[in-house]
Amino acid sequence: SAVISQKPSRDICQRGTSLTIQCQVDSQVTMMFWYRQQPGQSLTLIATANQGSEATYESGFVIDKFPISRPNLTFSTLTVSNMSPEDSSIYLCSVAGGLALYNEQFFGPGTRLTVL
Amino acid sequence: EDKVVQSPLSLVVHEGDTVTLNCSYEVTNFRSLLWYKQEKKAPTFLFMLTSSGIEKKSGRLSSILDKKELFSILNITATQTGDSAIYLCAGDRGSTLGRLYFGRGTQLTVWP
Repeated sequence: SAVISQKPSRDICQRGTSLTIQCQVDSQVTMMFWYRQQPGQSLTLIATANQGSEATYESGFVIDKFPISRPNLTFSTLTVSNMSPEDSSIYLCSVAGGLALYNEQFFGPGTRLTVL
Repeated sequence: EDKVVQSPLSLVVHEGDTVTLNCSYEVTNFRSLLWYKQEKKAPTFLFMLTSSGIEKKSGRLSSILDKKELFSILNITATQTGDSAIYLCAGDRGSTLGRLYFGRGTQLTVWP
C-alpha cells in the first residue's frame, strides 16, 4: 500500500473564505481522487485529479467551487472556495494504480473542515 | 442512476457473534466491488472483488461477490469490540479506474 498524508488535518474557517487542502503520496500513483463526506453521509466523489491537465468533475461539482491541481504523480491540492456552512465536511483524497497498489484504492487520513 | 444499497444500516451484536453485511449495487460500467472499514475519518481498505463466486478472506473477515444478482456480502466471524465501525461498500465505475460510488454504510457495534 501507499502512505498518504493530508494537510491540514482539520480547520475552522469563516464563510466566504477559501481553504486549500494538500495530499501527498509516498510513491507515484496513476490516479488521485477527491471525495467529500458530509456529516452522517457516505463518501461522494468530487473529481478525478489529472496530472498536467484539468480535473474531471462529477455531476454537481464545478471547477470554480473546487479547483484542483495535480502537478506530478505524488501530489494534489483541492481548494474549497467561497465557503459556506454547507461545505462543512470531511475531505479525503484517495489514490489508485501504481506499482505498490495494484488495482486497490486507498484513502488519506482526511481533512475535517468546519465553516462558521 | 448509480445505486449502492447496504443493509442493515445498523447492527448491534455481542462479542463472539457472527455477522453478515449486505451490499447490492447497480453501477455503470461496473469493474469491481470494494469494502472498507471506517472508524474515524479515513476508510481502511478491506477487499476488492472482481470475479463472481470467489471468496476473499482476511483473518475473521471474508467476502464474496455475485455479479449475476448484483450483490456482495461481508462476513465477520467471532466478532470483537475492535470490529465496531462503519463498513462501507463501493462500486467501481470502471470507465476509468477508481471512480467509486459508495453506499451509506452499515454501523456495526460490538458489545463486550
